[in-house]
Amino acid sequence: AQSVTQLDSHVSVSEGTPVLLRCNYSSSYSPSLFWYVQHPNKGLQLLLKYTSAATLVKGINGFEAEFKKSETSFHLTKPSAHMSDAAEYFCVVTNNDYKLSFGAGTTVTVRA
Amino acid sequence: SAVISQKPSRDICQRGTSLTIQCQVDSQVTMMFWYRQQPGQSLTLIATANQGSEATYESGFVIDKFPISRPNLTFSTLTVSNMSPEDSSIYLCSVVQVTQGPYTFGSGTRLTVV
Repeated sequence: AQSVTQLDSHVSVSEGTPVLLRCNYSSSYSPSLFWYVQHPNKGLQLLLKYTSAATLVKGINGFEAEFKKSETSFHLTKPSAHMSDAAEYFCVVTNNDYKLSFGAGTTVTVRA
Repeated sequence: SAVISQKPSRDICQRGTSLTIQCQVDSQVTMMFWYRQQPGQSLTLIATANQGSEATYESGFVIDKFPISRPNLTFSTLTVSNMSPEDSSIYLCSVVQVTQGPYTFGSGTRLTVV
């Protein structure tokens, strides 16, 4: 079985400053990992995914994440937050059964 | 990637009634799943919709409450039966083509039970 722990339920940053969203995972197999974003009353949008290729994954809108097997982590970062980054972020893991396990989510607020 | 049409987008239903949600995909896909997102919470997998056979349910979800059909590789339905206010959630269909990806999500059905 796999699971995901998002270490911060809420992150608040100032516009133009870095964003760090932390995610630890548990998996019996070599996992695939994803970050999704959900804006208020909108659908899920894939930011990036890791599928056993490069450990540093670049996604859309300036986001990137680093897969660290030794730490079982997949933290999401962005060097400079924008007001439009205010949303809910989900770290997601799947094994070879293709079922997705979602973390509890991190709410990001961006202060002007 | 596949495109999903999920209907209805929202509904308000009376307790004790049932609602059937449809998920139509524009191409044949290997895997189809149904998720629930309760208010202010994350997504939880309800079941895997299997073509031509009974769905595979996750712990805490049963066929009598959430019957699922998948008659072919492009279509599935989820029924929420004998609804109560606790069933008020967003229900999402998700698909993936094994070995190709990526995962695609429907826009969701926002259900309110009164």
